[in-house]
Amino acid sequence: DTGVSQDPRHKITKRGQNVTFRCDPISEHNRLYWYRQTLGQGPEFLTYFQNEAQLEKSRLLSDRFSAERPKGSFSTLEIQRTEQGDSAMYLCASSFWAGNEQFFGPGTRLTVL
Amino acid sequence: TQLLEQSPQFLSIQEGENLTVYCNSSSVFSSLQWYRQEPGEGPVLLVTVVTGGEVKKLKRLTFQFGDARKDSSLHITAAQPGDTGLYLCAGAGTGNQFYFGTGTSLTVIP
Repeated sequence: DTGVSQDPRHKITKRGQNVTFRCDPISEHNRLYWYRQTLGQGPEFLTYFQNEAQLEKSRLLSDRFSAERPKGSFSTLEIQRTEQGDSAMYLCASSFWAGNEQFFGPGTRLTVL
Repeated sequence: TQLLEQSPQFLSIQEGENLTVYCNSSSVFSSLQWYRQEPGEGPVLLVTVVTGGEVKKLKRLTFQFGDARKDSSLHITAAQPGDTGLYLCAGAGTGNQFYFGTGTSLTVIP
């Protein structure tokens, strides 16, 4: 399978705990995006990488959120001290270059109790 | 902030009917994409339109990009239950972000 993969698919955690999600993009894609989607809404942009460089972050990405793409391949999104409001679907997408078509992974559904 | 507004937000129709979903913005986009998303899954790309006035057809789906590249429509002919899902438009701005619409949830009743 050469599509975008995300792990885990589901995560249930207690408020205050830290969680980390992983995204593996399509191998030849330079750009990697993270989005958050709540029920009934469209995805909201969080951040994106060009290779290993994090080039833009949304103001939605509070200090509790950090994303990395250390070798320009897979990426991780960590949420520290989770809050109930962090409950959402976290989507990863990749594209070959800026403004090009994005291909999404299946998402990680986070539930914070 | 959602720069793209979709209408209607919800649509429930009988199998065989036609429908149109609209995606509107006051912003100009260099390209616009349409996705379909099923519950618990990521969005799946249907089409990308780039040129103002462009029309693309994908079987029973017809996509149009407005002349000014600010709006788009998706028309489905003879809808089938397999068309059920959340339809999302997304615009690529002059920066590096993709802006997603509010989504249209379509249910096709057999």
